[in-house]
Amino acid sequence: KQEVTQIPAALSVPEGENLVLNCSFTDSAIYNLQWFRQDPGKGLTSLLLIQSSQREQTSGRLNASLDKSSGRSTLYIAASQPGDSATYLCAGVSDSWGKLQFGAGTQVVVTP
Amino acid sequence: GAGVSQSPSNKVTEKGKDVELRCDPISGHTALYWYRQSLGQGLEFLIYFQGNSAPDKSGLPSDRFSAERTGGSVSTLTIQRTQQEDSAVYLCASSSGQADTDTQYFGPGTRLTVL
Repeated sequence: KQEVTQIPAALSVPEGENLVLNCSFTDSAIYNLQWFRQDPGKGLTSLLLIQSSQREQTSGRLNASLDKSSGRSTLYIAASQPGDSATYLCAGVSDSWGKLQFGAGTQVVVTP
Repeated sequence: GAGVSQSPSNKVTEKGKDVELRCDPISGHTALYWYRQSLGQGLEFLIYFQGNSAPDKSGLPSDRFSAERTGGSVSTLTIQRTQQEDSAVYLCASSSGQADTDTQYFGPGTRLTVL
């Protein structure tokens, strides 16, 4: 069974610093790895999806990498802003049904 | 276009009552998922639909939980004889059905509180 771990559980940075969020998974036979953002009391917003054949994906200030051999994905957020404050979740798909296995999330606070 | 919608947004019920939670997926999405988010357990998978069929029900925690999907669209999650441990946010997601490439789009969730 796929297990997904996110470290750290919480992170606080001053505005302008780059954010580095880590995700590790146990089963390298993944179909894809997805990063989501969750604001308090809200649903999940998809940020990036990395297919198993890809090494990274980029969208604006966000860049996510995938290393299947080491079972790791990293989400980089450049030049953080207070609006980036949220909980970030990574999730892996390990079966053909597309079922997501989630990590516990990293709660990020960006201080002005 | 419209995203995934869920109703009600909040539901407070008494222990032992039945509840129904509704999900309207994005039009044309064949795959539909239910997840549950609780403080102690994080986000966990409940059930997956492809069209009206549910090939994976492995996450349903007990036989008090059931779900159906009709017309390849709307889905209803039913919890019978609710217990306090059922209190959680129930999230629905839909996608086009390609496991390797498809992003799942989530609804805002239904917050269930069992008193």
